[in-house]
Amino acid sequence: AQSVTQLDSQVPVFEEAPVELRCNYSSSVSVYLFWYVQYPNQGLQLLLKYLSGSTLVKGINGFEAEFNKSQTSFHLRKPSVHISDTAEYFCAVSVWNDYKLSFGAGTTVTVRA
Amino acid sequence: EAGVVQSPRYKIIEKKQPVAFWCNPISGHNTLYWYRQNLGQGPELLIRYENEEAVDDSQLPKDRFSAERLKGVDSTLKIQPAELGDSAVYLCASTGIGIGTDTQYFGPGTRLTVL
Repeated sequence: AQSVTQLDSQVPVFEEAPVELRCNYSSSVSVYLFWYVQYPNQGLQLLLKYLSGSTLVKGINGFEAEFNKSQTSFHLRKPSVHISDTAEYFCAVSVWNDYKLSFGAGTTVTVRA
Repeated sequence: EAGVVQSPRYKIIEKKQPVAFWCNPISGHNTLYWYRQNLGQGPELLIRYENEEAVDDSQLPKDRFSAERLKGVDSTLKIQPAELGDSAVYLCASTGIGIGTDTQYFGPGTRLTVL
């Protein structure tokens, strides 16, 4: 079975600074990888996903992530954050041809002025 | 296009009481999921439907939880009786038709508090 580890539970960052959220996964087979964002009292919204092809994936709101198969990682980055990026971020993995998503515990990003 | 709709948004009940959550997926989405999200954790799958058939309910605590999707559209998740440990956010998600893993679209969730 696959699993996800998000290495940082909380990440405080100043506005306009860069941010990186770390995600490692474990799986014995090929995987699909996702980053979701959850704003307070809302559901999860997809930021980006890696299915195949280019290992650098660009998503919404200026976020990008890089799939590294050798390090089994899928770290999320944004070069300059805004106050509105304050939210909970979840990394998730699924196995090829299986719909089941396994989520990490989440990383809380707090952006301060 | 309307997103995934869930109701109620919040529910407070006493333990041993029954409770039900409703979900209406995005129009045309045949796959529907129910997740439970405990405080400070990621969502965990409870059950997945393909149309009206429950194709994965291995994580559903069947002694007290039940779900239905009678016409393959909207769905209801029920807990009877509720326990203190059931306090969580219950999320519904849906996907359209396709091979592999499609994007799951999530509703806003129902926050359940059991006293």
